[in-house]
Amino acid sequence: NAGVTQTPKFRVLKTGQSMTLLCAQDMNHEYMYWYRQDPGMGLRLIHYSVGEGTTAKGEVPDGYNVSRLKKQNFLLGLESAAPSQTSVYFCASRRRLPYRNTEAFFGQGTRLTVV
Amino acid sequence: DAKTTQPNSMESNEEEPVHLPCNHSTISGTDYIHWYRQLPSQGPEYVIHGLTSNVNNRMASLAIAEDRKSSTLILHRATLRDAAVYYCILRDVTGAGSYQLTFGKGTKLSVIP
Repeated sequence: NAGVTQTPKFRVLKTGQSMTLLCAQDMNHEYMYWYRQDPGMGLRLIHYSVGEGTTAKGEVPDGYNVSRLKKQNFLLGLESAAPSQTSVYFCASRRRLPYRNTEAFFGQGTRLTVV
Repeated sequence: DAKTTQPNSMESNEEEPVHLPCNHSTISGTDYIHWYRQLPSQGPEYVIHGLTSNVNNRMASLAIAEDRKSSTLILHRATLRDAAVYYCILRDVTGAGSYQLTFGKGTKLSVIP
């Protein structure tokens, strides 16, 4: 059981380049999330999705876009990378039922460096 | 979500119990108390959650104060693998923010062999 898989695990970008981070889950979860974690900090929510075709902004959405065309995948895009986006990115998912109180499962993270 | 306060760091000796405190004085009646932990270089993982009563599972126990303004995560016998950052999170399952999980800085637990 793979759980939540993030691709790639590491990436170095030049300022201004674009890239897409892929998150895939095989648990048929409705909710999916993208977080970033900077050194010594907790996780901050970038965007999230409560179902296929729907997305919403989190705490720090600027500079990122997301798409959820398929239930199992949640893509995070950086159109023009900036050094301030150097961070570790985590994807998470969780099921909707029986309540909104279900546990979240996280991927192993993508370490992104923008130079 | 209401805010939580945790110590920045704690130490424990291996094979001894660990009590990780969390204060949440502004907790509302519909807030659940969740704990996650993050091992070095890994994503967070769920530990336990509760509403009013104490809870036990294979990983830990959660003791909730009678007034719910504080809670304690109890690791009964710390191992080196328990060295991690522990996050105490409140989740209001009824509000518009109920879809989200908001992390603070957590408590970094060090386990001494």
